[in-house]
Amino acid sequence: GQNIDQPTEMTATEGAIVQINCTYQTSGFNGLFWYQQHAGEAPTFLSYNVLDGLEEKGRFSSFLSRSKGYSYLLLKELQMKDSASYLCAAMDSNYQLIWGAGTKLIIKP
Amino acid sequence: SQTIHQWPATLVQPVGSPLSLECTVEGTSNPNLYWYRQAAGRGLQLLFYSVGIGQISSEVPQNLSASRPQDRQFILSSKKLLLSDSGFYLCAWSEGSRNTGELFFGEGSRLTVL
Repeated sequence: GQNIDQPTEMTATEGAIVQINCTYQTSGFNGLFWYQQHAGEAPTFLSYNVLDGLEEKGRFSSFLSRSKGYSYLLLKELQMKDSASYLCAAMDSNYQLIWGAGTKLIIKP
Repeated sequence: SQTIHQWPATLVQPVGSPLSLECTVEGTSNPNLYWYRQAAGRGLQLLFYSVGIGQISSEVPQNLSASRPQDRQFILSSKKLLLSDSGFYLCAWSEGSRNTGELFFGEGSRLTVL
């Protein structure tokens, strides 16, 4: 079956760095997505990885290892506004997104 | 620029009543359209997707239905709501010509069935 695993909740301190891990099992693979979702709002796109390696975009970076079925989202210089849920989603061979349940990130002052 | 809107934003409905959620996209042609449901602590569940007018694929058997009467309009309906239909419903679109997977979501509709 197809499955996405990510931690349910994480806590970090303002100004620090946090890494949110995601492992996936899909029928075929066409890329890994990260979305940010603030409470009560719709998800917004953060990153897309289809090749192995690290993609950096400002304070956020996303890493992919296809051989390990593994990705992580790295958030640097954490700000209070980064408190949100972070959703990992893998695209299968039919170009359908398989979603994780999301990781709720709590930022403390 | 492209925009997506869905409404209503919130609604409280009794069990057995009908439902209609509407979603429209502006600024693009022939988009792929999606209806998702998000329950607390669970991942996004794809309910329906459409690659063109009148073309609807259902992912989960249930008492919900979807229609696409126009290219940029997607409607989620039910004739009789169940308690288990409560949740956060999200409409989304993606580029129809490219399978990039990037989804653009509407504001969401929070449904409470009592």
